Amino acid sequence: DTAVSQTPKYLVTQMGNDKSIKCEQNLGHDTMYWYKQDSKKFLKIMFSYNNKELIINETVPNRFSPKSPDKAHLNLHINSLELGDSAVYFCASSQDLGSGKRYNEQFFGPGTRLTVL
Amino acid sequence: GDSVTQMEGPVTLSEEAFLTINCTYTATGYPSLFWYVQYPGEGLQLLLKATKADDKGSNKGFEATYRKETTSFHLEKGSVQVSDSAVYFCALTGATNKLIFGTGTLLAVQP
Repeated sequence: DTAVSQTPKYLVTQMGNDKSIKCEQNLGHDTMYWYKQDSKKFLKIMFSYNNKELIINETVPNRFSPKSPDKAHLNLHINSLELGDSAVYFCASSQDLGSGKRYNEQFFGPGTRLTVL
Repeated sequence: GDSVTQMEGPVTLSEEAFLTINCTYTATGYPSLFWYVQYPGEGLQLLLKATKADDKGSNKGFEATYRKETTSFHLEKGSVQVSDSAVYFCALTGATNKLIFGTGTLLAVQP
């Protein structure tokens, strides 16, 4: 069983288009994340949602809008795609940080390679 | 802000060689430290972790010790295999469980 899944795995599109990437986790986790990995393999967090509420929003352009219909899903919608959006996007999930806990392991999806032409 | 610095790659080794990938961090408070591995064409997997000073994380023959005095978390393995070829990321989390990654180090092990 896949713990964190993403669709599609590859996405090739033209500049200016709008596209979505879907993420689902079946681990029962409360928190989900989106990370962006650029062409030099650098990884940076974009968003984090906890129980469908946004808790982390790094300096990401407004063209990126995460949507969490329920706590098992966190989709990423991107408007007016630009060349610089080409990257691999990873979804991840973890349990809540409970009282006294300092971290919770994040489980990553396989990634979606977005290519903007 | 919090940050992680790790040695640039690629690191190219022969099979059975000793591996060290250096990682140092800057953080307020007491972060948790991690090594993640990304095999070609795959997502990230947690390799090992340490949550407090002097903790040693270990997995699959890899080890790293949380050194608060030198703010370091160097990754080591005594004898690498071809199957260890991957990109290795050092990372930390602070209070929000937000992972902050280093730039990644590509390890290539030759038979």
